[in-house]
Amino acid sequence: SQQGEEDPQALSIQEGENATMNCSYKTSINNLQWYRQNSGRGLVHLILIRSNEREKHSGRLRVTLDTSKKSSSLLITASRAADTASYFCACGNQGGKLIFGQGTELSVKP
Amino acid sequence: DTGVSQNPRHKITKRGQNVTFRCDPISEHNRLYWYRQTLGQGPEFLTYFQNEAQLEKSRLLSDRFSAERPKGSFSTLEIQRTEQGDSAMYLCASSPLAGPYNEQFFGPGTRLTVL
Repeated sequence: SQQGEEDPQALSIQEGENATMNCSYKTSINNLQWYRQNSGRGLVHLILIRSNEREKHSGRLRVTLDTSKKSSSLLITASRAADTASYFCACGNQGGKLIFGQGTELSVKP
Repeated sequence: DTGVSQNPRHKITKRGQNVTFRCDPISEHNRLYWYRQTLGQGPEFLTYFQNEAQLEKSRLLSDRFSAERPKGSFSTLEIQRTEQGDSAMYLCASSPLAGPYNEQFFGPGTRLTVL
């Protein structure tokens, strides 16, 4: 079973716009990570936020974490066509295994 | 290239046959993970190793599935008596340190099709 639920399942925007994806989870976590997957390929790690952190930035990415609501969001600013991919949140617990959400499919139109 | 590699990239087999996949992690990584991903879903955890020890197995890993990492380097995942429901992408990942605060580096996956 999967821990995370992502919203929306699909998102279509124009180049230059911001994209926001949300993730909700069910149990306690040590950290939450976001990954990107281009069609038919492996996953690429984007950013990790620890359970005691509330916000983190990396380039055009901004991640927030609200442990009281068991939710996280990923914001991609000034999107580009190359950002088109599926984005997954993943909950990290003891042992290091990841429990993934179902993903948000992002399409950025030039 | 020193990333995670997986072989084969694609495998088509008939129901009832056995298949084996190989994963070569990044050389200094002591943790290795297997996940399965079906179309439109996120990856699901199957099992992981720390060095040669298999530390956790998901309930998804039925007795037809077996994974090994004999020398703490590469790993194999074998599926016996394949079923059509086994059709999926099998992903391998590795990470450098023990503990939960580590990103995982994923390979390109092996896509299995069971006819």
